[in-house]
Amino acid sequence: AQKVTQAQTEISVVEKEDVTLDCVYETRDTTYYLFWYKQPPSGELVFLIRRNSFDEQNEISGRYSWNFQKSTSSFNFTITASQVVDSAVYFCALIRLSYIPTFGRGTSLIVHP
Amino acid sequence: KAGVTQTPRYLIKTRGQQVTLSCSPISGHRSVSWYQQTPGQGLQFLFEYFSETQRNKGNFPGRFSGRQFSNSRSEMNVSTLELGDSALYLCASSRSGRPNTDTQYFGPGTRLTVL
Repeated sequence: AQKVTQAQTEISVVEKEDVTLDCVYETRDTTYYLFWYKQPPSGELVFLIRRNSFDEQNEISGRYSWNFQKSTSSFNFTITASQVVDSAVYFCALIRLSYIPTFGRGTSLIVHP
Repeated sequence: KAGVTQTPRYLIKTRGQQVTLSCSPISGHRSVSWYQQTPGQGLQFLFEYFSETQRNKGNFPGRFSGRQFSNSRSEMNVSTLELGDSALYLCASSRSGRPNTDTQYFGPGTRLTVL
């Protein structure tokens, strides 16, 4: 069975602080895909990043960066210099080759001005 | 281009009734997936359709069903509604549904309340 754990239920920061959202996963598959999504109050999930199990390169996109470490089964997400618009619920997800996704419970990020 | 649209956006039903939700994918997308989101269970995968065929199914009872039409539009049906079916139902579309190459685009969801 596969599992995604986002241990942080809610994180509250002040604008311009850096924040890291943790994601730990479990799977016996050697090929899998990891995703991060953002869910603003409007409800629709917005795709942020995809990483396959063979690519451990970290990635940076503007203020966002991701750290994938197979040794610890983690795929953490860092927002640098957070902004109020970053306030949302963030989901980490694992998809196997069967294409059936497993989502974490989400981390609610609140950025105060 | 237009995003994923879901209708209706809000729905109130009573226990025992049935409900049909609709999803129109992005033009050119042939894969449509449905998800249920509740505070208690989080985001759970319901099923995925590709070219009018159900390709994957999550762990939900048979009261939850769906279908896809030749224009890729999809509907999901929940029969004999229970209080626990109250949730946000999200639809997502992608070109082929392959996680290695495709990005899923989500609709705004249908908020179903069962009284």
